[in-house]
Amino acid sequence: GAVVSQHPSRVICKSGTSVKIECRSLDFQATTMFWYRQFPKQSLMLMATSNEGSKATYEQGVEKDKFLINHASLTLSTLTVTSAHPEDSSFYICSARDLAERNYGYTFGSGTRLTVV
Amino acid sequence: AQKITQTQPGMFVQEKEAVTLDCTYDTSDPSYGLFWYKQPSSGEMIFLIYQGSYDQQNATEGRYSLNFQKARKSANLVISASQLGDSAMYFCAMRGLRGFKTIFGAGTRLFVKA
Repeated sequence: GAVVSQHPSRVICKSGTSVKIECRSLDFQATTMFWYRQFPKQSLMLMATSNEGSKATYEQGVEKDKFLINHASLTLSTLTVTSAHPEDSSFYICSARDLAERNYGYTFGSGTRLTVV
Repeated sequence: AQKITQTQPGMFVQEKEAVTLDCTYDTSDPSYGLFWYKQPSSGEMIFLIYQGSYDQQNATEGRYSLNFQKARKSANLVISASQLGDSAMYFCAMRGLRGFKTIFGAGTRLFVKA
């Protein structure tokens, strides 16, 4: 139980294009999802908190116009990296809050490795 | 403000031996949860163990145990009988129970030697 699917697992895009990453809770409803960014050999840094039906809350220093988050349903949140540049290349991972508190409340997706060329 | 500190960037352990990964934390929340996650090279975050701040006993999950010392604000992970498959990055994390954010330490890379 409490499975989160993240897609795609890897993506390579050209500089200036946009990339959409999906985070989907498969067997539970997630009113809250979180998006993290992880640079090589570094820790996970919270980018934003995504709430179903409302605007995302971004952490300080994260450009909301560049990292668009949509949480239109109870099972899906998307992160769109707009006008991607090589410095946006990173590992992006989502987690979803499970009100049934399996995994003590939070389940992670498998991550998306973005490479911008 | 909340903070997680992992001071060991890398650790080596011989197969079948035990290893302790250090974690200290700081928070003003009266209630909080402490987590350990394993991240293999594939990138997925694997939940290992949880300790609630009001739990009286140290958490254990199979070969994993958490040495929780609340007064010292430490939550060290002990892995017993290390296996080659334990080689990975390990993150200590904390979440205040009044909020929903989880913050992570810098991580410790564990290398298990045959």
